[in-house]
Parts: sequence; C-alpha cells; structure tokens
Amino acid sequence: EVQLVETGGGLIQPGGSLRLSCAASGFTVSSNYMTWVRQAPGKGLEWVSVIHGGGGYIYYADSVKGRFTISRDNSRNTFFLQMNSLRAEDTAIYYCAASYSYSSLDYWGQGTLVTVSS
Amino acid sequence: DIQMTQSPSSLSASVGDRVTITCQASQDISNFLNWYQQKPGKAPKLLIYEASNLQTGVPSRFSGSGSGTDFTFTISSLQPEDIATYYCQQYDNLPYIFGQGTKLEIK
Repeated sequence: EVQLVETGGGLIQPGGSLRLSCAASGFTVSSNYMTWVRQAPGKGLEWVSVIHGGGGYIYYADSVKGRFTISRDNSRNTFFLQMNSLRAEDTAIYYCAASYSYSSLDYWGQGTLVTVSS
Repeated sequence: DIQMTQSPSSLSASVGDRVTITCQASQDISNFLNWYQQKPGKAPKLLIYEASNLQTGVPSRFSGSGSGTDFTFTISSLQPEDIATYYCQQYDNLPYIFGQGTKLEIK
C-alpha cells in the first residue's frame, strides 16, 4: 500500500522560510514523479512543483518560481519543498502527490497546513 | 499557461440523478485531462485519467469524455457518498493547471 506523509507545516511570519517533507512508503521516489499541490483556505487546487526522482525533471509554477525549491533524498525515499520569502498568499494546505507518470497524480498525502502571518 | 474553465461552479442534485460537469481548455489539449474528487477535509483522489479512463477501483457510475478543448464528467446515478468537489486538470503543458472546481451537493 502506498502511503505519503507530509510534515513541516506550521505558522511562519512573512518573509520567513519553511521546509516541507513528504516521506513515501510502498512507492519508490527515485524512479517516479513527485508533485506538490496546494489549496488556500476555501479555494481550489493549485499545482506548485514537480520533480522526477532521477533529478533531471524539475518545474515550478510561476507563483513560486525563485522562492521555492523542490528536491529529493532517494536514500530516505523522501522529497521536500523548501519555501523561502514566504508571503501571506502562500497560506494553504500543501499536499504531496506521487505518480508513475508525469500525467496524473495517483497517490496523495493527507496535507500539511502552512500559515504565513505576523 | 493553459486555462481550464469548469462549469457549473456548484450543483445541487437528488440521489439517483444524472450529473454532468464540463471543463473547457483555452487551447487544444488532445485527451490530456484528468478528473479528481475531493471530499470535505480530505485529499483529492484521481477518478479518471486521459479524459475517459476509469482509475482502478472507481465505481462505473463515473465516466469522462471529450477531446481537444471540451470535456465532460458524468455521474450516471448520484449517490450520497458522491458529495464532493470535482476538479479537472490538464497535463498537456506545464504548469498542469486545475479547473476551479465544481461543488456537488445533495438536494
């Protein structure tokens, strides 16, 4: 059974940094696609970033480009989202998702809440 | 970026009704479209991939169709457990934009 567990969310002041983690079990990060999707309170889904476990395929939404960095640690079967220069509009539940192909998000974590507020 | 327009934004229907949601892409995306279901307080779940293919384990009352710019998602006979928000998502071009969602309620 595939399980994804996100950690690292919390309350952070504007301009601050936070690193989210997504630990996978029953699914191999190193050879598949891992994506972050976020959802602001009461709003829809926003695709944020994707990485292939091989490392050569990384993309970001324009809204986070230059501020967020996606990475992975294949030895820990875990991937990350480093979030810098956080803004109030980054407040959201952040979901990690895993897939065998770039084309769909097959498995999802439970989400972790990031609140950017002073 | 490709824009995805879903309609309606909300929908109220009775148990047993046939429910249809549409999704329109701002440019031709072939059949590179998925549909997800998100129940309140839960993570989204993939229901349909490649516009019309049912994900394993998903009930057959769910279906999808379309290609190019116009797509349809259908529940043939609405069940109480189908209360959720439904999203389309294109994967023709990055970023893989989602539609704004359709909130489905029981009448």
